[in-house]
Amino acid sequence: RKEVEQDPGPFNVPEGATVAFNCTYSNSASQSFFWYRQDCRKEPKLLMSVYSSGNEDGRFTAQLNRASQYISLLIRDSKLSDSATYLCVVKGGTSYGKLTFGQGTILTVHP
Amino acid sequence: SQTIHQWPATLVQPVGSPLSLECTVEGTSNPNLYWYRQAAGRGLQLLFYSVGIGQISSEVPQNLSASRPQDRQFILSSKKLLLSDSGFYLCAWSLGGVAAFFGQGTRLTVV
Repeated sequence: RKEVEQDPGPFNVPEGATVAFNCTYSNSASQSFFWYRQDCRKEPKLLMSVYSSGNEDGRFTAQLNRASQYISLLIRDSKLSDSATYLCVVKGGTSYGKLTFGQGTILTVHP
Repeated sequence: SQTIHQWPATLVQPVGSPLSLECTVEGTSNPNLYWYRQAAGRGLQLLFYSVGIGQISSEVPQNLSASRPQDRQFILSSKKLLLSDSGFYLCAWSLGGVAAFFGQGTRLTVV
């Protein structure tokens, strides 16, 4: 089993749609969780951290379920500029400092 | 503020030649440092990470090695490159439970 698993997509949605991405992780001792965004041929950039209580940043909402070892990202009112690959990231656990990325979910928002 | 420098941006090397990629971080002390590789159309593969000087954890057995000669310097090396070493190499840093931040990457083509 992969340490971090994501549905690779691709997700093709119209502008204004709501889209949700899911991610599961295998190490129950993992400590920190993040969503990154990667544009084509660029480095990944932090989108948001994920907290146990859930957190929101504008149109983006992240949720963490430690019992199910599940992380989600919800994007509301999709924009063309949201088209990118979204990466689920898990840090720590039995290997202190280790940062593991999921394979990424490709999102394309069309007019 | 913290910055990360990674160079060169692109590199074309013949099979069997050596490799040295350097990454430096400014504005912080004792960061966790990471080397990732991303093959075309694929996810990020963790190659090495370091939680301190002289402490290197290797994730994938291969013909690459990493060193951390100074607190904020991380070097990725190979004695003899293979065609399969082609890819997008990314260096990143983080502190504690905080997210990681990436350099702009080196696009390596082995010919």
